[in-house]
Amino acid sequence: QVQLVESGGGVVQPGRSLRLSCAASAFTFSNSGMHWVRQAPGQGLEWVAVISSDGSHKYYADSVKGRFTISRDNSRNTLYLQMNSLRVEDTAVYYCAGNLDVWGKGTTVTVSS
Amino acid sequence: IQLTQSPSILSTSVGDRVTITCRASQGISSSLAWFQQKPGKAPELLIYAASTLQSGVPSRFSGSGSGTEFTLTISSLQPEDFATYYCLQNNSYPFTFGQGTPLEIK
Repeated sequence: QVQLVESGGGVVQPGRSLRLSCAASAFTFSNSGMHWVRQAPGQGLEWVAVISSDGSHKYYADSVKGRFTISRDNSRNTLYLQMNSLRVEDTAVYYCAGNLDVWGKGTTVTVSS
Repeated sequence: IQLTQSPSILSTSVGDRVTITCRASQGISSSLAWFQQKPGKAPELLIYAASTLQSGVPSRFSGSGSGTEFTLTISSLQPEDFATYYCLQNNSYPFTFGQGTPLEIK
């Protein structure tokens, strides 16, 4: 069964860092563009970042550019999101998605002092 | 690119024909997708390339449009269709979502 499982969420203070992971199984990970999408509590969806199948191309939302870094390890079928200089407004459920047609269940990040 | 969905909220009944509109601030060709999200769940892709039905999605869902105006239509609303619907443009980076349209039971 195709599955994406996010991990690494938690509670962190403003200005600190966190790294999210997304493990893929039964999924052609190495051939897929991978995305991070987030949803703040009670709010709509916000696209965050994408990485091409070979990792050579990366694009970011303006709200996270310069603070977040998307990466992947095709040998481990794993996607990452390194989040630095976190802000209260980064509080959200973070989803990974493959080609935007396969989604994980999300991991919650709370940025609070 | 900004996407504006209308209506902002829709009160409707089982069996109704439902149409949701998504307008882009600039032309995006047919690079638009529609997602359904139920409370506490991840979004699910319904339609991509404006009008192509994702595998496994019921045929009562359809999409149309190009350029700056797009529509999602549900031909006969079923109980399991009460959810929030989002459009997404994937024409250029950064991708952007519409604000969402929740369907409520009238």
